Amino acid sequence: GAGVSQSPSNKVTEKGKDVELRCDPISGHTALYWYRQSLGQGLEFLIYFQGNSAPDKSGLPSDRFSAERTGGSVSTLTIQRTQQEDSAVYLCASSLVRHYEQYFGPGTRLTVT
Amino acid sequence: AQKVTQAQTEISVVEKEDVTLDCVYETRDTTYYLFWYKQPPSGELVFLIRRNSFDEQNEISGRYSWNFQKSTSSFNFTITASQVVDSAVYFCALSEVSGGGADGLTFGKGTHLIIQP
Repeated sequence: GAGVSQSPSNKVTEKGKDVELRCDPISGHTALYWYRQSLGQGLEFLIYFQGNSAPDKSGLPSDRFSAERTGGSVSTLTIQRTQQEDSAVYLCASSLVRHYEQYFGPGTRLTVT
Repeated sequence: AQKVTQAQTEISVVEKEDVTLDCVYETRDTTYYLFWYKQPPSGELVFLIRRNSFDEQNEISGRYSWNFQKSTSSFNFTITASQVVDSAVYFCALSEVSGGGADGLTFGKGTHLIIQP
């Protein structure tokens, strides 16, 4: 079956602009996760959705970051007023339920110039 | 707070050698899960194994095997008769079930494994 898909695969944006990153999880997976991978910080957990709700948003790096999930499926991660330190690969993963194995998408490489 | 340590930043071996990747974790939770993921040069993280804290049985899958020891808080990964296609970055990760930990996976920094032909 289809895996996790993410779009765009690459995004170059100017500092100060807003960006939206999209994640389409595996069909039937109720849990969805966002992570960020950068050379300096490794793999960082950002936010988790169970269905459409995110119980804990404390992993988001700043209040410029927000995420939503609609219809228990597609999720969007929005970064407002992007900064150069936001440059990273943003990974989305989904699992059948929480604590089960997570399957990752190919990621969106974000470059802020 | 939970933590995963992969002390080996990079390992280089010649093809057909056996290699063990170390993973040590810290958690206050009594119920947790441990994972290994592979990230080949293409970049996509590939799931390898998930283990719960109540199951200390070692697992073997083809050339891969995992040794889970709660007494030393370790979950090591061994590749037998390594092949060039095993070259990748390998991540160990932890997920706590309760105790107020993060809802997602806590990853180690990864071990870059290079298999030379």
